[in-house]
Amino acid sequence: EDQVTQSPEALRLQEGESSSLNCSYTVSGLRGLFWYRQDPGKGPEFLFTLYSAGEEKEKERLKATLTKKESFLHITAPKPEDSATYLCAVQLRGGATNKLIFGTGTLLAVQP
Amino acid sequence: DSGVTQTPKHLITATGQRVTLRCSPRSGDLSVYWYQQSLDQGLQFLIQYYNGEERAKGNILERFSAQQFPDLHSELNLSSLELGDSALYFCASSVAGGGTYEQYFGPGTRLTVT
Repeated sequence: EDQVTQSPEALRLQEGESSSLNCSYTVSGLRGLFWYRQDPGKGPEFLFTLYSAGEEKEKERLKATLTKKESFLHITAPKPEDSATYLCAVQLRGGATNKLIFGTGTLLAVQP
Repeated sequence: DSGVTQTPKHLITATGQRVTLRCSPRSGDLSVYWYQQSLDQGLQFLIQYYNGEERAKGNILERFSAQQFPDLHSELNLSSLELGDSALYFCASSVAGGGTYEQYFGPGTRLTVT
C-alpha cells in the first residue's frame, strides 16, 4: 500500500535554532513529492516539488531534499512566522490522475 | 492568495441534511480536486474532475457526489449527513489532469454537523 509518514509529529524550536523535518514514503512509483505549509484553519500553501533523488530546492529559510526513500525539509535559522504545519505529499507514477497522498504533517512551533 | 475560491467558509447543519460546497479554480486551470481533512485522518483525496469529466475517485462515500460545470467551477454535494462528516473540505486546482503539476488549494469550507 502506498504510504507517506512524517516525523516528528510536533517540533518546538527556539528562534534561530535550525532543524529538519522528515518525510518517508513507500510507493509503487514516484512521479513527484510535494511540500506544503498549512496555517491553522487555512488551505495548504504550495512550497516545493521534487522529482528525482538528489534534487534540492530552496526558498528563503527552507530547503527540501529528496532521496529514493525520503525527503527532508531543512529549516535554517527559523523565525516565529515559520510556525505552521508542514505537509508532505506524493504523486504516483502511472494512471491518468495526479491526486496527492498526504502524510499527517509536522506541527512546527518557533518561539522567540 | 492561491486564486482558488470556495464558498461558504463555514457551514453548520444537522444530521440527515444535505449541503453543497462550491469551488472556483484558478484562472486557466482545468482540473479540480476535492479533499477532506479531519483531525484523525489528515488530508484525504475524494475526487478529481478534469474539464468537466470525472478523472479519479478516492475514498468518497456513496452519500457524496460532485460535478464540474462548463465554466469549470465544481460543486461537492454531501447528503444524509452524519456527525463523522464534520471536517474541513478543500478544493484544489491544477493546470492539467495528469503529469506533475502543482495543486493550489482554496481556503476550505469548515462543515460542522450537529
